Amino acid sequence: DQQVKQNSPSLSVQEGRISILNCDYTNSMFDYFLWYKKYPAEGPTFLISISSIKDKNEDGRFTVFLNKSAKHLSLHIVPSQPGDSAVYFCAASGVTQGGSEKLVFGKGTKLTVNP
Amino acid sequence: ETGVTQTPRHLVMGMTNKKSLKCEQHLGHNAMYWYKQSAKKPLELMFVYNFKEQTENNSVPSRFSPECPNSSHLFLHLHTLQPEDSALYLCASSQDNRPFYGYTFGSGTRLTVV
Repeated sequence: DQQVKQNSPSLSVQEGRISILNCDYTNSMFDYFLWYKKYPAEGPTFLISISSIKDKNEDGRFTVFLNKSAKHLSLHIVPSQPGDSAVYFCAASGVTQGGSEKLVFGKGTKLTVNP
Repeated sequence: ETGVTQTPRHLVMGMTNKKSLKCEQHLGHNAMYWYKQSAKKPLELMFVYNFKEQTENNSVPSRFSPECPNSSHLFLHLHTLQPEDSALYLCASSQDNRPFYGYTFGSGTRLTVV
């Protein structure tokens, strides 16, 4: 059962426009949410995060919105740049049965920003 | 270079081979992780080590055997793997096993089992 879902495998956006990447989750016990960015042949890199007690976090061109009642979060990139083209993973932090905190990842959305 | 180094970058092995994946970090982190990324699937947590002690084994088959000799090094020993084990294996580290600090991932080892 997938606890973190990214239903759009790909997204294509024109340079300068807004990119909106969506993520849904099922576990209401998740307390922290993160976005990672992955270029081909590289590992994921941390991009931005948000605590469950907030509904918005902004860092430069990147803003993450959290809607707890809908169990939905989104990443907005504005303005989008060709260098933003990558796979974006949504992740949620929760406690495992072993008592560790762990990240649960979505399948990722491939963003292509066209010049 | 992210601070987490994985070797080898690519590995092709037969089902009867024994091989090891290596991960090294010099970020001063005390938690290390193995993740598996299969095609069209989410990243799957395999093992968690905190201060060299294994704190999580996510129901991983015994043909995968982790080893953490110190907080800077993590190994994944492989033996009698199956073709479906072909995937990208990612190592990550973090401070104090707290995801909100952001894990630092290595570039991964692309494993192909033939």
